[in-house]
Amino acid sequence: NAGVTQTPKFQVLKTGQSMTLQCAQDMNHNSMYWYRQDPGMGLRLIYYSASEGTTDKGEVPNGYNVSRLNKREFSLRLESAAPSQTSVYFCASSESSPYGYTFGSGTRLTVV
Amino acid sequence: QKEVEQNSGPLSVPEGAIASLNCTYSDRGSQSFFWYRQYSGKSPELIMFIYSNGDKEDGRFTAQLNKASQYVSLLIRDSQPSDSATYLCAVNEMDSGNTPLVFGKGTRLSVIA
Repeated sequence: NAGVTQTPKFQVLKTGQSMTLQCAQDMNHNSMYWYRQDPGMGLRLIYYSASEGTTDKGEVPNGYNVSRLNKREFSLRLESAAPSQTSVYFCASSESSPYGYTFGSGTRLTVV
Repeated sequence: QKEVEQNSGPLSVPEGAIASLNCTYSDRGSQSFFWYRQYSGKSPELIMFIYSNGDKEDGRFTAQLNKASQYVSLLIRDSQPSDSATYLCAVNEMDSGNTPLVFGKGTRLSVIA
């Protein structure tokens, strides 16, 4: 039982490049989330999908787009990467509110 | 803006002692409360959740909730060096559909052998 799988685990981008972070869960959860974690800033919500077919902005959505491809998959796209997007990105899923999350292992992204 | 506040630490306790981690939240509508543990370089993992005022115990861990004071805490009894990690408090509104969790910035705990 894999839980929440994120790819890639590490990535280095040049400023202006684009990339998509992939996330898939095998727990049949309805809700999926993307957070970024920066030193001293805690976990900040980028986007979330409460259920298949819906997406909503979180606290820090600028520079990102998301796609809820199906119930299992929720991807995060950086269209034109900036050094300020250097961070660790976590995908998470939950059955629904008010249950807790299961997190993926994270993607460490560096933009140079 | 909903806020969840935690002392960043580090909180240092000797092995075998009780570690007390505290969290306050701003939104009186918050209904469910979670504690996550995050080891350095790893993802957060759920330790406990609590919905009702009072105490909830699970092994060496006890979560305490006081909604009137907007305060939730985590006690770790018989602390071990393996408990050294960052502990994240998270809250959400149970009655507002699938609202995402709001996380505190975490408290770093160091258990000294």
